[in-house]
Amino acid sequence: AQSVAQPEDQVNVAEGNPLTVKCTYSVSGNPYLFWYVQYPNRGLQFLLKYITGDNLVKGSYGFEAEFNKSQTSFHLKKPSALVSDSALYFCAVRDILTGGGNKLTFGTGTQLKVEL
Amino acid sequence: DARVTQTPRHKVTEMGQEVTMRCQPILGHNTVFWYRQTMMQGLELLAYFRNRAPLDDSGMPKDRFSAEMPDATLATLKIQPSEPRDSAVYFCASGSPGTLSGANVLTFGAGSRLTVL
Repeated sequence: AQSVAQPEDQVNVAEGNPLTVKCTYSVSGNPYLFWYVQYPNRGLQFLLKYITGDNLVKGSYGFEAEFNKSQTSFHLKKPSALVSDSALYFCAVRDILTGGGNKLTFGTGTQLKVEL
Repeated sequence: DARVTQTPRHKVTEMGQEVTMRCQPILGHNTVFWYRQTMMQGLELLAYFRNRAPLDDSGMPKDRFSAEMPDATLATLKIQPSEPRDSAVYFCASGSPGTLSGANVLTFGAGSRLTVL
């Protein structure tokens, strides 16, 4: 079975400060990992993904994430937060080994609040 | 930009009524997913189709929910009869085919917000 944990329900950051949204995963084989963002009353939007290769993945809007196999983590980061980054962030995983039927398992989401 | 279209965006109904939600996936995408989002449960996968064939509906209450793809341009999720606990936002998402289809990104619709009174 595949699963994702986002340990923080909410993260508060001052604008201009770096931000980190945490994610850990569990799979039987190797993972495909994703970050999606959801703005109010909208569907989820893709931010970035890790498939293979470089552990540091860069995505949309200046976000990046680092895949750490030994810690089974895929934390989302941004060097300098903007108020407009305030949204709900979801980490998601697919297990390559089982295919997961292409099923994407999402975490519970982390609300990011960036304040002036 | 290509987008996944969901209708209705909002639906208020009374307990016991039938509800049908519709989704138009992106042209050329061969996988379609239905997710339900609530504050308590977060995002739950209800059903999944590939090339219009249902592959997994284990997350869906079988006694009242049904999901179909009558053609490649339409996916439906039906609840009959509806109950207050079905109140949630229902999202449809589609994904493109490919050799690494498991790595492909899903595109989500804007969701259908259902309220059952």
